[in-house]
Amino acid sequence: EDKVVQSPLSLVVHEGDTVTLNCSYEVTNFRSLLWYKQEKKAPTFLFMLTSSGIEKKSGRLSSILDKKELFSILNITATQTGDSAIYLCDIPLYIFGTGTRLKVLA
Amino acid sequence: DVKVTQSSRYLVKRTGEKVFLECVQDMDHENMFWYRQDPGLGLRLIYFSYDVKMKEKGDIPEGYSVSREKKERFSLILESASTNQTSMYLCASSTGSGLRGTEAFFGQGTRLTVV
Repeated sequence: EDKVVQSPLSLVVHEGDTVTLNCSYEVTNFRSLLWYKQEKKAPTFLFMLTSSGIEKKSGRLSSILDKKELFSILNITATQTGDSAIYLCDIPLYIFGTGTRLKVLA
Repeated sequence: DVKVTQSSRYLVKRTGEKVFLECVQDMDHENMFWYRQDPGLGLRLIYFSYDVKMKEKGDIPEGYSVSREKKERFSLILESASTNQTSMYLCASSTGSGLRGTEAFFGQGTRLTVV
Protein backbone atom coordinates (compact mmCIF):
# COMPACT_ATOMS: atom_id res chain seq x y z
CA GLU A 1 0.00 0.00 0.00
CA ASP A 2 1.33 3.43 -0.96
CA LYS A 3 2.21 5.57 2.01
CA VAL A 4 3.51 9.05 2.82
CA VAL A 5 4.62 9.86 6.37
CA GLN A 6 5.52 13.32 7.58
CA SER A 7 7.33 14.29 10.74
CA PRO A 8 7.09 15.96 13.07
CA LEU A 9 3.32 16.32 13.25
CA SER A 10 3.68 19.73 14.81
CA LEU A 11 6.43 22.13 15.65
CA VAL A 12 6.65 25.41 17.56
CA VAL A 13 9.67 27.63 17.01
CA HIS A 14 10.67 31.25 17.46
CA GLU A 15 11.27 33.74 14.72
CA GLY A 16 14.74 33.39 13.29
CA ASP A 17 14.99 29.65 13.93
CA THR A 18 15.70 27.16 11.16
CA VAL A 19 13.36 24.20 10.76
CA THR A 20 13.58 20.93 8.86
CA LEU A 21 10.43 19.07 7.91
CA ASN A 22 10.58 15.46 6.83
CA CYS A 23 8.61 13.40 4.37
CA SER A 24 9.23 9.71 3.80
CA TYR A 25 7.36 7.64 1.27
CA GLU A 26 6.71 4.18 -0.05
CA VAL A 27 4.97 4.26 -3.40
CA THR A 28 4.95 2.30 -6.59
CA ASN A 29 5.69 4.12 -9.84
CA PHE A 30 7.21 7.19 -8.25
CA ARG A 31 7.34 10.18 -10.57
CA SER A 32 7.51 13.22 -8.35
CA LEU A 33 7.07 14.57 -4.84
CA LEU A 34 5.40 17.88 -4.15
CA TRP A 35 5.38 20.22 -1.17
CA TYR A 36 2.47 22.52 -0.39
CA LYS A 37 1.84 25.21 2.20
CA GLN A 38 -1.65 25.49 3.67
CA GLU A 39 -2.27 28.65 5.65
CA LYS A 40 -6.01 28.99 5.93
CA LYS A 41 -7.91 27.07 3.32
CA ALA A 42 -6.39 26.11 -0.02
CA PRO A 43 -2.96 24.46 -0.12
CA THR A 44 -0.59 26.34 -2.38
CA PHE A 45 2.23 24.78 -4.31
CA LEU A 46 5.84 25.19 -3.15
CA PHE A 47 8.11 22.70 -4.89
CA MET A 48 8.11 19.72 -7.19
CA LEU A 49 11.01 17.28 -6.88
CA THR A 50 11.75 14.58 -9.38
CA SER A 51 15.51 13.98 -9.18
CA SER A 52 17.66 12.98 -6.25
CA GLY A 53 20.17 15.40 -4.83
CA ILE A 54 19.05 18.50 -6.69
CA GLU A 55 18.03 21.24 -4.31
CA LYS A 56 15.08 23.41 -5.15
CA LYS A 57 15.19 26.85 -3.57
CA SER A 58 12.80 29.74 -3.18
CA GLY A 59 13.89 32.49 -0.86
CA ARG A 60 14.27 31.07 2.62
CA LEU A 61 12.71 27.75 1.65
CA SER A 62 14.57 24.85 0.09
CA SER A 63 13.88 21.20 -0.51
CA ILE A 64 15.74 18.13 -1.62
CA LEU A 65 14.83 14.58 -2.52
CA ASP A 66 16.64 11.32 -1.80
CA LYS A 67 15.20 8.60 -4.04
CA LYS A 68 17.48 5.95 -2.63
CA GLU A 69 16.39 6.44 0.97
CA LEU A 70 12.87 7.47 -0.09
CA PHE A 71 12.52 10.78 1.66
CA SER A 72 12.47 14.50 1.16
CA ILE A 73 13.17 17.41 3.48
CA LEU A 74 11.86 20.94 3.45
CA ASN A 75 14.07 23.53 5.12
CA ILE A 76 12.99 26.97 6.22
CA THR A 77 15.72 29.31 7.42
CA ALA A 78 15.24 32.50 9.44
CA THR A 79 11.60 31.64 10.08
CA GLN A 80 8.98 34.37 10.27
CA THR A 81 5.49 34.39 11.75
CA GLY A 82 4.16 34.29 8.20
CA ASP A 83 5.66 30.84 7.80
CA SER A 84 3.10 29.48 10.28
CA ALA A 85 1.07 26.96 8.32
CA ILE A 86 0.52 23.29 7.65
CA TYR A 87 3.13 21.91 5.27
CA LEU A 88 1.92 19.03 3.14
CA CYS A 89 3.95 16.46 1.27
CA ASP A 90 2.25 14.84 -1.71
CA ILE A 91 2.98 12.05 -4.13
CA PRO A 92 0.74 13.31 -6.86
CA LEU A 93 -1.95 13.16 -6.82
CA TYR A 94 -3.54 10.70 -4.49
CA ILE A 95 -1.32 10.41 -1.51
CA PHE A 96 -0.81 13.19 0.96
CA GLY A 97 0.98 12.97 4.27
CA THR A 98 -0.85 14.14 7.37
CA GLY A 99 1.12 17.35 7.25
CA THR A 100 3.38 19.18 9.68
CA ARG A 101 1.77 22.05 11.54
CA LEU A 102 4.38 24.76 12.03
CA LYS A 103 3.83 27.65 14.40
CA VAL A 104 6.39 30.45 14.48
CA LEU A 105 6.25 32.68 17.55
CA ALA A 106 7.27 36.32 17.43
CA ASP B 1 -4.70 33.52 -12.92
CA VAL B 2 -5.72 29.94 -12.41
CA LYS B 3 -8.82 29.32 -10.46
CA VAL B 4 -10.66 26.51 -8.74
CA THR B 5 -13.94 27.63 -7.26
CA GLN B 6 -16.02 25.75 -4.75
CA SER B 7 -19.61 26.83 -4.55
CA SER B 8 -19.86 27.23 -0.78
CA ARG B 9 -17.40 28.12 1.95
CA TYR B 10 -19.61 26.93 4.80
CA LEU B 11 -22.58 24.59 4.85
CA VAL B 12 -24.75 23.25 7.63
CA LYS B 13 -26.98 20.31 6.76
CA ARG B 14 -29.20 17.93 8.65
CA THR B 15 -28.61 14.20 8.97
CA GLY B 16 -30.20 12.37 6.07
CA GLU B 17 -30.18 15.32 3.66
CA LYS B 18 -28.76 15.01 0.18
CA VAL B 19 -25.84 17.40 -0.18
CA PHE B 20 -24.21 18.71 -3.35
CA LEU B 21 -20.73 20.25 -3.33
CA GLU B 22 -19.79 21.90 -6.59
CA CYS B 23 -16.34 22.61 -7.96
CA VAL B 24 -15.47 24.50 -11.14
CA GLN B 25 -12.04 25.06 -12.68
CA ASP B 26 -11.18 27.42 -15.51
CA MET B 27 -7.86 25.91 -16.56
CA ASP B 28 -9.10 23.21 -18.93
CA HIS B 29 -7.54 20.58 -16.65
CA GLU B 30 -8.16 16.93 -17.32
CA ASN B 31 -7.90 15.75 -13.73
CA MET B 32 -10.17 16.75 -10.88
CA PHE B 33 -10.23 15.51 -7.30
CA TRP B 34 -12.25 15.63 -4.13
CA TYR B 35 -10.51 15.31 -0.76
CA ARG B 36 -11.66 15.62 2.79
CA GLN B 37 -9.34 16.97 5.44
CA ASP B 38 -9.66 16.06 9.10
CA PRO B 39 -7.34 16.89 12.00
CA GLY B 40 -4.63 14.29 12.38
CA LEU B 41 -5.64 12.47 9.20
CA GLY B 42 -4.45 14.85 6.53
CA LEU B 43 -6.01 14.96 3.08
CA ARG B 44 -7.78 11.78 2.06
CA LEU B 45 -8.92 11.19 -1.48
CA ILE B 46 -12.62 10.50 -1.93
CA TYR B 47 -12.98 10.36 -5.73
CA PHE B 48 -11.13 11.58 -8.75
CA SER B 49 -11.83 12.00 -12.43
CA TYR B 50 -9.38 12.10 -15.31
CA ASP B 51 -11.88 12.85 -18.03
CA VAL B 52 -15.47 13.86 -18.60
CA LYS B 53 -17.87 11.18 -17.39
CA MET B 54 -14.95 9.17 -15.96
CA LYS B 55 -14.63 8.62 -12.23
CA GLU B 56 -12.51 6.49 -9.96
CA LYS B 57 -12.81 5.72 -6.28
CA GLY B 58 -10.19 7.04 -3.95
CA ASP B 59 -9.40 5.85 -0.46
CA ILE B 60 -12.71 6.69 1.23
CA PRO B 61 -15.56 6.68 -1.31
CA GLU B 62 -18.21 5.17 0.97
CA GLY B 63 -21.18 7.46 1.42
CA TYR B 64 -20.19 9.66 -1.52
CA SER B 65 -20.75 9.80 -5.24
CA VAL B 66 -19.52 12.17 -7.93
CA SER B 67 -20.56 13.56 -11.27
CA ARG B 68 -18.50 15.00 -14.09
CA GLU B 69 -20.74 15.91 -16.98
CA LYS B 70 -18.54 18.76 -18.18
CA LYS B 71 -14.77 19.08 -18.12
CA GLU B 72 -14.77 22.15 -15.91
CA ARG B 73 -17.18 20.89 -13.25
CA PHE B 74 -16.82 18.11 -10.70
CA SER B 75 -19.59 17.59 -8.19
CA LEU B 76 -19.45 15.65 -4.93
CA ILE B 77 -22.72 14.22 -3.66
CA LEU B 78 -23.53 13.00 -0.19
CA GLU B 79 -26.60 10.85 -0.77
CA SER B 80 -27.68 10.86 2.87
CA ALA B 81 -25.50 13.07 5.03
CA SER B 82 -24.28 11.70 8.34
CA THR B 83 -22.52 13.39 11.24
CA ASN B 84 -19.27 11.55 10.48
CA GLN B 85 -19.17 13.42 7.17
CA THR B 86 -18.64 16.68 9.00
CA SER B 87 -15.34 17.83 7.56
CA MET B 88 -13.46 20.24 5.35
CA TYR B 89 -13.86 19.29 1.69
CA LEU B 90 -11.24 20.36 -0.82
CA CYS B 91 -11.50 20.18 -4.57
CA ALA B 92 -8.40 20.19 -6.77
CA SER B 93 -7.53 20.02 -10.43
CA SER B 94 -4.40 19.28 -12.39
CA THR B 95 -3.17 18.67 -15.87
CA GLY B 96 -0.70 16.02 -16.95
CA SER B 97 -0.87 12.74 -18.75
CA GLY B 98 -2.02 9.66 -17.00
CA LEU B 99 -3.27 9.64 -13.48
CA ARG B 100 -0.22 11.08 -11.74
CA GLY B 101 -0.27 14.64 -12.88
CA THR B 102 1.67 17.70 -11.97
CA GLU B 103 0.97 20.28 -9.29
CA ALA B 104 -2.58 20.53 -8.08
CA PHE B 105 -4.58 23.71 -7.78
CA PHE B 106 -6.97 23.73 -4.88
CA GLY B 107 -10.24 25.44 -4.19
CA GLN B 108 -10.78 27.34 -0.97
CA GLY B 109 -12.57 24.46 0.65
CA THR B 110 -16.07 23.88 1.96
CA ARG B 111 -16.52 23.35 5.65
CA LEU B 112 -19.51 21.07 5.98
CA THR B 113 -21.23 20.51 9.30
CA VAL B 114 -23.87 17.79 9.54
CA VAL B 115 -26.13 18.13 12.55
